[in-house]
Formats: sequence, C-alpha cells, structure tokens
Amino acid sequence: EVQLQQYGAELGKPGTSVKLSCKVSGYNIRSTYMHWVNQRPGKGLEWIGRIDPANGNTIYAEKFKSKATLTADTSSNTAYMQLSQLKSDDTAIYFCAMQWTIAAMFAYWGQGTLVTVSS
Amino acid sequence: DIVMTQGALPNPVPSGESASITCQSSKSLLYSDGKTYLNWYLQRPGQSPQLLIYWMSTRASGVSDRFSGSGSGTDFTLKISRVEAEDVGVYYCQQFLEFPLTFGSGTKLEIK
Repeated sequence: EVQLQQYGAELGKPGTSVKLSCKVSGYNIRSTYMHWVNQRPGKGLEWIGRIDPANGNTIYAEKFKSKATLTADTSSNTAYMQLSQLKSDDTAIYFCAMQWTIAAMFAYWGQGTLVTVSS
Repeated sequence: DIVMTQGALPNPVPSGESASITCQSSKSLLYSDGKTYLNWYLQRPGQSPQLLIYWMSTRASGVSDRFSGSGSGTDFTLKISRVEAEDVGVYYCQQFLEFPLTFGSGTKLEIK
C-alpha cells in the first residue's frame, strides 16, 4: 500500500525558513513525480511545483519560484520542500502528492502539514 | 495559465438524488494523444483530497460507480448518482495539460 507521511504541524517565525518532509512508503519515488500543493485557511488548492526525484529536475509555479525549494532523497524515499522568508500569508496546509511518471494525476496525497507563521 | 471555473450546487442536495458539478477550462484540455487532461478530486472535511476521476471520464481505483465524468475539450461535468452522506465535501477539478497545473475553486456538496 502506498502511503505519503507528513508531519502534522510546523511553526515558523516571520523571516525564517521551514523544511517540510514527505516520506513515501510502498513505492519507489524514482518512478514518480512528487508535487506540492497548498491550501490557505478556508481556501482552495494551489499548485506549488514538482520534482523528478530521479534527476532532481524541478518546475515551479511562477509565484513560488523564490519561495519554495523542492528536493528529494531517493535513498530515504523522501521529498522535501523548503519555504523561505516566511510571512503571515504563508500560513497554510501544505500537501505532497504523488504522480506516477506514466500518468497525469495525483494518485496519492499526504495528510498535509499545517505551517503557521507567527512571532 | 489555464483558468478553471467551477459551478455551484443548489445545496443541500436530498439524499438519494443526483448532483452534477460543472467545470470549464479557458483552453481545450484535449491533447493530441486523444486524452483529455481533466481530473476530479474530493476533499472530505478535515482530510486531504482524493482522486475520483482522471482523463475526464476514467474512475480511479476503488471509486464508486455512482461517480461519472464527462465533457468536451473545455466543458466538463462530474455526476454523482444517488448522493450519500459520505459524498459530503468539496469537489475540485484540475487540469493536467500544462504547467502550471491549476485547480478550480471548488464546489461544496451538502446533503439533506
């Protein structure tokens, strides 16, 4: 069974960074694309970007190019997203989602990490 | 960017009735391979989204056959037959044709 494990919550102060993790079990992430999506309180889903863990290639939504950095560690089957220069409007739930390389959908989602930015 | 526009439902929907959710894209999602790159997800309260339909009309594994997807290149419908309490949540359409990937704003389903 494929599972994406994310920590429940992170607290970050304004101007600092946080690094979120998404550990995949049941499937080798080398054969996937790993995506990140956010959801601000009471709002809809917003795509942040994608990483190909096999080669580290990334694609970002324009508004997140200077905010998010996606990486992956194939030895631990884990995807990461670092959010920098945190501001209050970065407060949101951040989901990781897995796409098989041969498909065009988010087949599996993590439970999400709630990032709260507060001093 | 491709803009996805979703319609609203006349909530609450009586249990056992059908509900249809519409989604419109600003660009045709029909690709040269013959597939239409439109997905549907359900986000139940307090949960992460789950895949319902991909390539416009293919049900994901384990999804009830009460859910069906249809449409053209730019206009899409998710139909839920005989709605049940477990169908409550917010439904999102998503285009997977090109980057940036975009979602509709979501359609809330409430049951009476």
